[in-house]
This record gives sequence, structure tokens and C-alpha cells, in this order.
Amino acid sequence: GAGVSQSPSNKVTEKGKDVELRCDPISGHTALYWYRQSLGQGLEFLIYFQGNSAPDKSGLPSDRFSAERTGGSVSTLTIQRTQQEDSAVYLCASSVGGGKDTQYFGPGTRLTVL
Amino acid sequence: AQTVTQSQPEMSVQEAETVTLSCTYDTSENNYYLFWYKQPPSRQMILVIRQEAYKQQNATENRFSVNFQKAAKSFSLKISDSQLGDTAMYFCAFSNSGYALNFGKGTSLLVTP
Repeated sequence: GAGVSQSPSNKVTEKGKDVELRCDPISGHTALYWYRQSLGQGLEFLIYFQGNSAPDKSGLPSDRFSAERTGGSVSTLTIQRTQQEDSAVYLCASSVGGGKDTQYFGPGTRLTVL
Repeated sequence: AQTVTQSQPEMSVQEAETVTLSCTYDTSENNYYLFWYKQPPSRQMILVIRQEAYKQQNATENRFSVNFQKAAKSFSLKISDSQLGDTAMYFCAFSNSGYALNFGKGTSLLVTP
């Protein structure tokens, strides 16, 4: 079956603009995760969804970051007023449930803020 | 907080040889899960192997096996008969019975002909 997909693959934007990153999880997976991968910080957890609810948003770096999930499927990560330090690869993962279930990752979106 | 340490930023191995990547972690939990993920230049994170802490037996997947030492909080990955396609970043990751994965900084593995 299809894996996790993310779009766009690459995004270049100007400082101050808003961006939306999309994630399509594996069909039937109830849990969805966003991570950020940057040279300086490595892989950081951002947010976790169980169904459409986000029990833990503690990883979001600032209030410029928000995420939503609709229909227990597609998720969108929105970054408002982008800054150069937001440049990174944003990875999405999904799992059957939460907790002990293996997370399967998408190919990521590389965001470059000029 | 849990931390994951990969002490080898870069490693190199010749094709067909065996290489071991190190990982240590710190946790006060008793029930947790450990993973090795591979990230080739395509960026796709691919699960290599998974270990449940409550299982004594070391996990094995074809050419990949782990040496899980719970008391020492060590979780190393052994790659046997290395292939050129094994060239990638390898990340060790930890998860308790929650959800977020805690990743190490990664080890860049180069397999040479």
C-alpha cells in the first residue's frame, strides 16, 4: 500500500511569508507526528495527533507554528511569518496507534527561508 | 528526559565487511522501545530494526542485528555483509510508552567498494 506522502517536496519562501506543509498518512493510521530536522538541532519532535486531536503540542517552537488534522487523515503544518531559522526538513510520520507502534516516515519537505 | 547518544559521527566500511554502530541512551523507564532508522540521501527515514526493552532476545532482520544491553543502556547495530546501498545516515531512536521518538544525532555510514 501507499506510504506516507508529503507535499511540497521542496519549498523556498521569503522571510515573513506564511507556508503550509501537507502530510498524507498511511491509510488507517490513527496517529500522526511532525518532526523537524535541522543541521544544528538534529531531529526534533514538534506535535502528535491521535485522530484529529493533538494531545501534545509542546514541541512547537513558537506560536508562529500551528498544525491541524482533519478527518483523521491529512495534516497541515502552518508556519506564519517565516524566519531564516525555520529552514529545515519537516518530516511527517504515522503509526497504527500511538505509543509502542512503529512510526513510518514520509520523504519530508525541505523548507528554505531566504 | 530521555537522551540518546551516538558517539560515532562518521564511519566507513568496505563492501562485504561487518560494521557496528553504537548507541547509548538514558532513561528511568522500564518499559520502552528502541529503533534504528536509516536515512539515505533521498531523505526518506526507513525503519531498519526495532527492539522491545522487555524482550531478552536481540532483534534480527536479515543482515541487520542489534546487541541490546539493558543494564548498560546500550543498543548497537551490526550490519553484516555490507552493501553499497547501506550508505546512509543511521539514527538510533528511543520511545517510551508515549509517542514522541527521541533521536540521536546520527552516524553517517559510507560503504566503499
